[in-house]
Amino acid sequence: EAQVTQNPRYLITVTGKKLTVTCSQNMNHEYMSWYRQDPGLGLRQIYYSMNVEVTDKGDVPEGYKVSRKEKRNFPLILESPSPNQTSLYFCASSIGNGANEQFFGPGTRLTVL
Amino acid sequence: KQEVTQIPAALSVPEGENLVLNCSFTDSAIYNLQWFRQDPGKGLTSLLLIQSSQREQTSGRLNASLDKSSGRSTLYIAASQPGDSATYLCAVNPNNQGGKLIFGQGTELSVKP
Repeated sequence: EAQVTQNPRYLITVTGKKLTVTCSQNMNHEYMSWYRQDPGLGLRQIYYSMNVEVTDKGDVPEGYKVSRKEKRNFPLILESPSPNQTSLYFCASSIGNGANEQFFGPGTRLTVL
Repeated sequence: KQEVTQIPAALSVPEGENLVLNCSFTDSAIYNLQWFRQDPGKGLTSLLLIQSSQREQTSGRLNASLDKSSGRSTLYIAASQPGDSATYLCAVNPNNQGGKLIFGQGTELSVKP
């Protein structure tokens, strides 16, 4: 089944403890991106990647890192999480350069205490 | 700056009714517009994608239209069912913004049996 998967689905952590949220797609998509969803603010893009080793900032990149060493994986790294990063995170992927239909993962609900 | 607005914010209808959800955007320079469904605490499911050169797309009981010049899209749901209850999000994919989707705040639909 063609899909985008994320792990973990739920995570409660404490301020300053480094964490990684993984994202993987099995559709051979070049384009991948991360969004966060917050009440009243909607969905906002954090980072995106056009292909392996090509990443760029979205609208809200502060406090996040990404890497794209393999085509199928695009992990989101929080080096020192803070409570304002408590949110629902989504990974998405698309064929080509992002100007096509985008498919989203199931989401990761992160709580930073 | 591209802005996306969805009206109404919430809608409650009896089962069987036909309904229209509205989406407007401020800049017509887009690759495409995508409609999503989001169930509470869940991921985004892609419903329909309309390319900028298209006027409408249909999938089952769903029909989406696009009028790029006026900055409007509608999602028509025929013969609504309780299982259609969810939040519906529209997102535009602006030209030359690296595949970043700009989302509306969504319409929360409740279909009563």
